[in-house]
Amino acid sequence: GQQVQQSPASLVLQEGENAELQCNFSTSLNSMQWFYQRPGGSLVSLFYNPSGTKHSGRLTSTTVIKERRSSLHISSSQTTDSGTYLCALEGNTGKLIFGLGTTLQVQP
Amino acid sequence: DPKIIQKPKYLVAVTGSEKILICEQYLGHNAMYWYRQSAKKPLEFMFSYSYQKLMDNQTASSRFQPQSSKKNHLDLQITALKPDDSATYFCASSQAPWEQFFGPGTRLTVL
Repeated sequence: GQQVQQSPASLVLQEGENAELQCNFSTSLNSMQWFYQRPGGSLVSLFYNPSGTKHSGRLTSTTVIKERRSSLHISSSQTTDSGTYLCALEGNTGKLIFGLGTTLQVQP
Repeated sequence: DPKIIQKPKYLVAVTGSEKILICEQYLGHNAMYWYRQSAKKPLEFMFSYSYQKLMDNQTASSRFQPQSSKKNHLDLQITALKPDDSATYFCASSQAPWEQFFGPGTRLTVL
C-alpha cells in the first residue's frame, strides 16, 4: 500500500475559511516536507518539519512522529491559495516519498 | 533569478530516440535528485547524488542514466524512449540532509 496518504483528496472553501490538510505515513522517516504545487506544475517548499510545529504567515505545519502524521493548517484562505498541496516524507539517502496531494480550491 | 535551472521546459520525442534533460543548481548544495511525475501518480523518486556520487537509484530501468559532469549539474539521459516515459521530470537539490528545493520541471512527451 501507499506509504504516504493525504486527506482530503480535494477541498473547496470560501475565501476566509480555514483548512486542515492531513498526511499519514506508514513508515519511519527522517523528516516531513510540505509543498505547494502551482497549477503550472512547479513546486514550492512550504515547510521542512522533522517534528513539532512551525509557522509561516497564515500557514502552520505540525508533525507528530509517534502518531505518524503531519498536518498543514491554512488560516483565512485566499483565492491565491488554490492549487495542490503535497506532503513528502524523507527517508534515508534523502529520498522523498510523496502523497497524491490535496487539491484546494478557494472561491471568492 | 532562478536558482535551479532545467532545460528544456518542454520536449517532444519519438519512440526509440534518446534525450538528455539538463539540470543546474546555483544554491551551493551538495546533493541533487531526480523525480518524475506522471498523470494520476504521486511524484516518484528516481535518483539521488551527493558530492557527485550516486546515493540511491530507485529506477528499475537502465535506460535512465544520470550524469554529473560538475558539482552543480545533474543531467538525466533517457535512451530508447517509450510512450510510458511521458511525464514531467523534476530536478531538486538540498544541502543534505535538509530541505529539498525543486526546479521548474521538464515536460516530456513521447510519441
